[in-house]
Amino acid sequence: GAVVSQHPSWVICKSGTSVKIECRSLDFQATTMFWYRQFPKQSLMLMATSNEGSKATYEQGVEKDKFLINHASLTLSTLTVTSAHPEDSSFYICSASSWGGTEAFFGQGTRLTVV
Amino acid sequence: EDKVVQSPLSLVVHEGDTVTLNCSYEVTNFRSLLWYKQEKKAPTFLFMLTSSGIEKKSGRLSSILDKKELFSILNITATQTGDSAIYLCAVVRNDMRFGAGTRLTVKP
Repeated sequence: GAVVSQHPSWVICKSGTSVKIECRSLDFQATTMFWYRQFPKQSLMLMATSNEGSKATYEQGVEKDKFLINHASLTLSTLTVTSAHPEDSSFYICSASSWGGTEAFFGQGTRLTVV
Repeated sequence: EDKVVQSPLSLVVHEGDTVTLNCSYEVTNFRSLLWYKQEKKAPTFLFMLTSSGIEKKSGRLSSILDKKELFSILNITATQTGDSAIYLCAVVRNDMRFGAGTRLTVKP
């Protein structure tokens, strides 16, 4: 199957700082990338859908100025958590799909802890 | 409103039992339904279903989609403790939305 690499796997940062998470498709062109957030014992909650070269579509309740998503190329999307606070601590995971795709491939996820 | 509903939310069985997990959906522009297994980190892919009535099978796991009644089931036969996980279904449109998941616990 296709490979999606997410980096870093885990990060600890101080409150008020920003953290960037990268999601790369290694062997296919990811025209669409999805960013999810998962709290303990809960399912994956879609945060935003990004199409290459376009602005991301954010789900209701997700602050686009706080969670900056950039999808400038067909192989890379980034999620930047700006001015992170302890309540932003969570598991963030991306998945990528090619154009018209019926399947999406996950990155390994990033565990963010804000102290 | 589009939704993906999984049931049950939690299930406890003993090794050797057979389980059936359900996923129903109400979405527009349906492309496919995906099943994943999640243990500690990222979900791992199990099945992709796009056509009604065609069973996908992998070892003790199988799944089928009913596009008329808008649901899918995931069957696991002869369960083992290693099957303990959260099973997630997701519906792919121009986005990909997950159900709440079913937490399966298989006891020895």
